[in-house]
Amino acid sequence: DAKTTQPNSMESNEEEPVHLPCNHSTISGTDYIHWYRQLPSQGPEYVIHGLTSNVNNRMASLAIAEDRKSSTLILHRATLRDAAVYYCILVLPGTASKLTFGTGTRLQVTL
Amino acid sequence: EPEVTQTPSHQVTQMGQEVILRCVPISNHLYFYWYRQILGQKVEFLVSFYNNEISEKSEIFDDQFSVERPDGSNFTLKIRSTKLEDSAMYFCASKGLAGSLVNEQFFGPGTRLTVL
Repeated sequence: DAKTTQPNSMESNEEEPVHLPCNHSTISGTDYIHWYRQLPSQGPEYVIHGLTSNVNNRMASLAIAEDRKSSTLILHRATLRDAAVYYCILVLPGTASKLTFGTGTRLQVTL
Repeated sequence: EPEVTQTPSHQVTQMGQEVILRCVPISNHLYFYWYRQILGQKVEFLVSFYNNEISEKSEIFDDQFSVERPDGSNFTLKIRSTKLEDSAMYFCASKGLAGSLVNEQFFGPGTRLTVL
């Protein structure tokens, strides 16, 4: 599985935008970039995914570098409820594709 | 909104005992997964299941583990003879329709297994 690298932790103030980076220099042409998050004492939760183009949904935006070797998850206005571990995961296309979690980035949000 | 449910939320067992962890995936989902997370560690893939058979399993998923979809709604993980190192949070996940290559997985809240 292609590997991703994320900072161990980041901090943000509430109501500020947060940019969570992910490096995936060995990404293959068919890998999708998925982001999940895990709130304290909960199961992982899907956030967003993309292949080449930037993506927006109600939770976040995903900016993908032109060479696809890195991506950035953008939370436009962090709230205390966004405090979680965020995982950047490369997913092979395929019907039963598993998720391979790394250590992720622990996001702390303060008032 | 549909969700994955898991029971029990916490299971305490003695070493060597059998445990069955239960999951109800989202109705009409076709792909099912078990993951585990030892306290303070990464979420680890155990097994994926589709069309009543295992699609893929990890090295962790040895002969002591088995999965079953007994009645078309439940999805179970059985550990035949538990060990201390099986203590972890176990997450069930399901994924939607056949033919959708990159659908997201929906996770349940987990079952905390404690082996004494």
